Amino acid sequence: QVQLVQSGAEVRKPGASMEVSCKASGYTFTGYYLYWVRQAPGQGLEWMGWINPNSGATNYAQKFQGRVTLTVDTSISTAYMELSRLTSDDTAMYYCARVIWDVVPAAADYWGQGTLVTVSS
Amino acid sequence: QSALTQPASVSGSPGQSITISCTGTSSDIGGYKYVSWYQHYPGKAPKLMIYEVSKRPSGVPDRFSGSKSGNTASLTISGLQAEDEADYYCTSYRITSTPYVVFGRGTKLTVL
Repeated sequence: QVQLVQSGAEVRKPGASMEVSCKASGYTFTGYYLYWVRQAPGQGLEWMGWINPNSGATNYAQKFQGRVTLTVDTSISTAYMELSRLTSDDTAMYYCARVIWDVVPAAADYWGQGTLVTVSS
Repeated sequence: QSALTQPASVSGSPGQSITISCTGTSSDIGGYKYVSWYQHYPGKAPKLMIYEVSKRPSGVPDRFSGSKSGNTASLTISGLQAEDEADYYCTSYRITSTPYVVFGRGTKLTVL
């Protein structure tokens, strides 16, 4: 069965960077794009970007341009999301999700369990 | 990059039907068939309920249906059940200067 298992909760100080991992199993890792999505406390879901694990090509939300980096290690079927120059506004639950792709990204059909990142001094 | 517009909350009694609207523009909902809906319980991973406007993934009850008219998409839940109480988010593919994905702000469904 398809599974996306994310790394554990993290606490970071303002100005630091963070990295969340997302290990995929149960399907061909390079055959599906991945989204990263976050939810800040009391807020809605927010799309951060997508990555094509086959080519490494990425597309980032304008809001995160210059601060977010999505990468993959296909040898271990794992995706990574790095976010730099953290502020308290980056305190959120972060999710990876597998993308159903038609001509363009259609939807996310499987999601990781989420990784809580807290930014606090 | 503005969010899609959803009502903050809707409510209904068990057995009733409710509809959640999601309004965008011709650059997203109105221009593409790539509207999807997610059910989200706090602290859990979101679950895909509808994709490509009206398609249901395997395992999603047929009480959930989706549609679109112009720049507005809708999620209808018929025969409301207590376990339907959750947050619901719409999303759409959007392209302006670059392609991206936009979410609605979410709708809290309360089953009375």
